[in-house]
Amino acid sequence: DGGITQSPKYLFRKEGQNVTLSCEQNLNHDAMYWYRQDPGQGLRLIYYSQIVNDFQKGDIAEGYSVSREKKESFPLTVTSAQKNPTAFYLCASSMRASNQPQHFGDGTRLSIL
Amino acid sequence: DQQVKQNSPSLSVQEGRISILNCDYTNSMFDYFLWYKKYPAEGPTFLISISSIKDKNEDGRFTVFLNKSAKHLSLHIVPSQPGDSAVYFCAAKNDYKLSFGAGTTVTVRA
Repeated sequence: DGGITQSPKYLFRKEGQNVTLSCEQNLNHDAMYWYRQDPGQGLRLIYYSQIVNDFQKGDIAEGYSVSREKKESFPLTVTSAQKNPTAFYLCASSMRASNQPQHFGDGTRLSIL
Repeated sequence: DQQVKQNSPSLSVQEGRISILNCDYTNSMFDYFLWYKKYPAEGPTFLISISSIKDKNEDGRFTVFLNKSAKHLSLHIVPSQPGDSAVYFCAAKNDYKLSFGAGTTVTVRA
């Protein structure tokens, strides 16, 4: 089945450690996105990529980094510089045309101990 | 600055009746609007969308209305069913970026 796979579903890390969240899609979508959701808030855009080897900062990129070496993959690294990393992280992908909806994975819940 | 607002955090509706969810936005550059449905511990699922050049789009039980002069859109679900109980997010698109509202939790009562 085509879709977006995020792994793991739950992730625990010690404070000060970097952690990488995986996102893979087999929908042949060009564009991929990372969002963060906090309780009672909407999704906020961290980074997005419209094409391989290119990505742009979203609204809350500080303390995060990404890479886009393959069309299918868009991993997100939460660095120790991110002051409040505990959140629900969602990856999405879409066709590049502006009227195409984004499709989401089931998310990774990151907790910093 | 939040550009997309859903001012009702929750909505309770009886099964079979209409659910109306509202959304307001401030950025006149938004050209495409979407509604997503989300269950706990899952990613949002796309429901329905509307281009800024239209004022209504219908898909089965779901209809989205857009009032550009008021910068307001709404989602109507009729009839409401128990499986519609979820969080609904309004989103607006500018370029390739989506801005989301905070969501409205809908509870459908039997």
